[in-house]
Amino acid sequence: QVQLQESGPGLVKPSETLSLTCTVSDGSIRNYYWSWIRQPPGKGLEWIGHIYYTGSTNYNPSLKSRVTMSIDTSKNQFSLKLTSVTAADTALYYCVRENKPYGVDVWGQGTTVTVSS
Amino acid sequence: SYELSQPPSVSVSPGQTATITCSGDKLGNKYVCWYQQRPGQSPLLVIYQDAKRPSGIPERFSGSNSGNTATLTINGTQAMDEADYYCQAWDTSTVFGGGTKLTVL
Repeated sequence: QVQLQESGPGLVKPSETLSLTCTVSDGSIRNYYWSWIRQPPGKGLEWIGHIYYTGSTNYNPSLKSRVTMSIDTSKNQFSLKLTSVTAADTALYYCVRENKPYGVDVWGQGTTVTVSS
Repeated sequence: SYELSQPPSVSVSPGQTATITCSGDKLGNKYVCWYQQRPGQSPLLVIYQDAKRPSGIPERFSGSNSGNTATLTINGTQAMDEADYYCQAWDTSTVFGGGTKLTVL
């Protein structure tokens, strides 16, 4: 069964860039969409965007100006960069496999990112 | 941008039927998925393509989608079903509903 593991700093200063990486294990990164979803404390799920294994991307319009996703198929990894962060970006960040049209069928355990000076 | 609306909370007695709705413009023309999130856990896909259950999901979970409303139904609700439930659909981007807290009491 495919497993996902997020990695990256748990604390980011305001105005700086949040960077996370997700490692895909026990499965191929090819032929799927790979996404980032976040969940602020006590709130609901927010889709940040996805990247296809070919490198094609689609981002949440509300975050598009600050988001960049990339993928490294040789390392079975994909990454998220979110610029100019504020306290509103504090959340649990999940990397997931978005198996369109069958749903988000694999979730990482999530990593907490706090934006604070 | 496309929006999905869910009731913030639903309550049900053990053994009864729980119904959670998800509303969106012409939602019936899109595939809807449902996710269960228990406290402290990652979400779990319980329904995809409106009404299909992934392997391992109990038969008491079912879904439907028509018009502007998709519905998640849990028959014979158990205490273990108490969780947050999110609907999700695809438009020009991937969209989640705001979530519904299901209380079994």
